[in-house]
Amino acid sequence: NAGVTQTPKFQVLKTGQSMTLQCAQDMNHNSMYWYRQDPGMGLRLIYYSASEGTTDKGEVPNGYNVSRLNKREFSLRLESAAPSQTSVYFCASRTDYYEQYFGPGTRLTVT
Amino acid sequence: KQEVTQIPAALSVPEGENLVLNCSFTDSAIYNLQWFRQDPGKGLTSLLLIQSSQREQTSGRLNASLDKSSGRSTLYIAASQPGDSATYLCAVAEVGSNYKLTFGKGTLLTVNP
Repeated sequence: NAGVTQTPKFQVLKTGQSMTLQCAQDMNHNSMYWYRQDPGMGLRLIYYSASEGTTDKGEVPNGYNVSRLNKREFSLRLESAAPSQTSVYFCASRTDYYEQYFGPGTRLTVT
Repeated sequence: KQEVTQIPAALSVPEGENLVLNCSFTDSAIYNLQWFRQDPGKGLTSLLLIQSSQREQTSGRLNASLDKSSGRSTLYIAASQPGDSATYLCAVAEVGSNYKLTFGKGTLLTVNP
């Protein structure tokens, strides 16, 4: 059981470039989440997916898109990266008893 | 809007001491409260989950309590060890939020040998 996995671990982008952050879970959870973590701001929800085929905006969705590819995978896309999107991105999934499990994170720097 | 506050922001204690971390939230209509641990440069590890109907949960040297009506939770760590050094985060899932978590900013704990 790998739990929640994320790729890549690190990424450096130039302003205006695009990229997709990948997340997968092998725990058969229905709900999945994308958060960003910034110094002094804590963790904030970007998007979530309550079940396969559904996605909804969180607190800070601007500049991001998501795809719930299947039950296992939930990807986060930056179409035109900006320096304000420099952050650590975490994916999580939720058990039926409402406990969330987190991946190891992707550290993104936009120059 | 739900707000979660953790006090203190940082805490330094000698090894062996018992300690309490505090978490408060502004809206008591929650499904549950979850405590996490985060080591530097790592992801979050779930420590304890307390459902809204529960008063406390225990795991090893950790005990978390929940007083929903007053909007407070505490995480008690017994006989602290240097390996307990990390940032501790609490988060609540508010009723009607589809179990989305609202996080506090964490308490950075340092346990000195």
